[in-house]
Amino acid sequence: DTEVTQTPKHLVMGMTNKKSLKCEQHMGHRAMYWYKQKAKKPPELMFVYSYEKLSINESVPSRFSPECPNSSLLNLHLHALQPEDSALYLCASSRPGGGDQETQYFGPGTRLLVL
Amino acid sequence: DQQVKQNSPSLSVQEGRISILNCDYTNSMFDYFLWYKKYPAEGPTFLISISSIKDKNEDGRFTVFLNKSAKHLSLHIVPSQPGDSAVYFCAAPAYGGATNKLIFGTGTLLAVQP
Repeated sequence: DTEVTQTPKHLVMGMTNKKSLKCEQHMGHRAMYWYKQKAKKPPELMFVYSYEKLSINESVPSRFSPECPNSSLLNLHLHALQPEDSALYLCASSRPGGGDQETQYFGPGTRLLVL
Repeated sequence: DQQVKQNSPSLSVQEGRISILNCDYTNSMFDYFLWYKKYPAEGPTFLISISSIKDKNEDGRFTVFLNKSAKHLSLHIVPSQPGDSAVYFCAAPAYGGATNKLIFGTGTLLAVQP
């Protein structure tokens, strides 16, 4: 089973709203990732959690706040977003450990629209 | 600095023929490569990978070839089917610290014509 689930599938929010994206995996993976993807572009890494600790923050604005409550769950809290933050937000997970353990498995994504 | 490059933004092939998607990389430290397939508004799906100790890996209709001296890899799809129409990304893990990041190419849009 290589399934990563994400909720919600679609989200529309105003610039003053607070919302959260959720991601879950039950593959025993210990690295989890948030990506942002704009149309016709490759996924753009935002955050990496390794063994439930934040290990990479790709200089993401503070209006995006990640959280890893346990090894299976990853959240992305959103507050005071801008219209240009509208995108597909992807969660992924991997073992990690080098070689084929670096294979990342992606969820279906949350399509976010900021009005 | 684009460490992984896909120079063809799009490719069109006839159903039943071979599709060849190309990827070049600049970092000789890369030792593992992946191909992902992506439909619009969906997450990328892992397709096939290859370790740098091999020059070929095959999985059904999909074969990836690696030429380390040329820093080039290619994905062959035979025979191509209309359902293969998607964007294909090649990627490589960039090692550093406790966690590695995937470096993605810019993607190639494959259209398989019935």
